[in-house]
Amino acid sequence: DTEVTQTPKHLVMGMTNKKSLKCEQHMGHRAMYWYKQKAKKPPELMFVYSYEKLSINESVPSRFSPECPNSSLLNLHLHALQPEDSALYLCASSQDRRVGIRTDTQYFGPGTRLTVL
Amino acid sequence: AQKVTQAQTEISVVEKEDVTLDCVYETRDTTYYLFWYKQPPSGELVFLIRRNSFDEQNEISGRYSWNFQKSTSSFNFTITASQVVDSAVYFCALHSDTDKLIFGTGTRLQVFP
Repeated sequence: DTEVTQTPKHLVMGMTNKKSLKCEQHMGHRAMYWYKQKAKKPPELMFVYSYEKLSINESVPSRFSPECPNSSLLNLHLHALQPEDSALYLCASSQDRRVGIRTDTQYFGPGTRLTVL
Repeated sequence: AQKVTQAQTEISVVEKEDVTLDCVYETRDTTYYLFWYKQPPSGELVFLIRRNSFDEQNEISGRYSWNFQKSTSSFNFTITASQVVDSAVYFCALHSDTDKLIFGTGTRLQVFP
């Protein structure tokens, strides 16, 4: 079962709000990812967690704060976002990401469409 | 540097036509993996196929087929007898152990009834 779930599906927030995006997988994967996708563009990597530890931060502004409470869950906390942060936020997971096996297939969730007013 | 080029921005076909989506990649790594993902209007990226750099065998899965040619650094995707449900954006992607997953810019396929 290659399923990654994300909640909520849609989110509208003001620039002063605090909200969180949630991602869950039950495939036993030990690597999880956040991507941001603007309209008509490919996904852009934001963060990578490997074995619940942050391993990659692609110079993402601090108003985005990731959290990996356990191997199945990944959160993205949002605070003081800007209208240009409006996008589709995709979560993905892969089996492993240790050196030598970083190329495992990434399975994506349905995404959260975020609108910042 | 790693790069994936999908030169076709948008393709329109009528149902039952065959269509080929092109993908050209650049990498200096000898070991790498190539992927195709489908993104329907709902937004989810659906994994279609993964090939490693040492396996140039073409692959067929139902109406889908993939042609991997290292000599031309291409990994093209053909849909036979296209259907309306095939309408989506298709991304080709490249991954090696030294880098992150690199996506092409995508090809939007519209299949009209």
